[in-house]
Amino acid sequence: DTAVSQTPKYLVTQMGNDKSIKCEQNLGHDTMYWYKQDSKKFLKIMFSYNNKELIINETVPNRFSPKSPDKAHLNLHINSLELGDSAVYFCASSQGARETQYFGPGTRLLVL
Amino acid sequence: DQQVKQNSPSLSVQEGRISILNCDYTNSMFDYFLWYKKYPAEGPTFLISISSIKDKNEDGRFTVFLNKSAKHLSLHIVPSQPGDSAVYFCAAKEWDDKIIFGKGTRLHILP
Repeated sequence: DTAVSQTPKYLVTQMGNDKSIKCEQNLGHDTMYWYKQDSKKFLKIMFSYNNKELIINETVPNRFSPKSPDKAHLNLHINSLELGDSAVYFCASSQGARETQYFGPGTRLLVL
Repeated sequence: DQQVKQNSPSLSVQEGRISILNCDYTNSMFDYFLWYKKYPAEGPTFLISISSIKDKNEDGRFTVFLNKSAKHLSLHIVPSQPGDSAVYFCAAKEWDDKIIFGKGTRLHILP
């Protein structure tokens, strides 16, 4: 009955590979987000979707492509992984952009 | 350029005493402020928020104070309990815009 879930929890992969991280929320929220927490511990927004539409797209390399098949899911696909992509990626959701965001447990990505 | 700054990376407080976590911001357009708490290997969880039209918001042991002229907010936890040991993120946002997070302050509650 987890509110916001992410899979996988850990991901170790080689440089150059393509990988996906999945996110699902069962809160009935209409807005979902992807955040990246880098080695300096900054938590920065990458993307935001409202009702499957992209509303925030920060300066993120186009190797990162979010996909929202429905309101409850927001997946993150990363092409040609680089060492600097190593970070913790958090998914979050809220009911509207102004409301409290609920975070998933994070996916720890390590690119070797 | 950090718009939300938490200048203390860590803070240690005796159990039962008051914990005060500080946060400064630079963007005068921010109108909503939040505190999130994060345990290791978990995502941040919402703790308390305050709108810019208020200067104080209280929820149980947690109180957030906002000083708009100083562009400063603080989170008070009293009394501090062992379960309060976590990383606390200050965050701010403009109307309908993205949340900007600070780097976090690690709070250690000492027995």
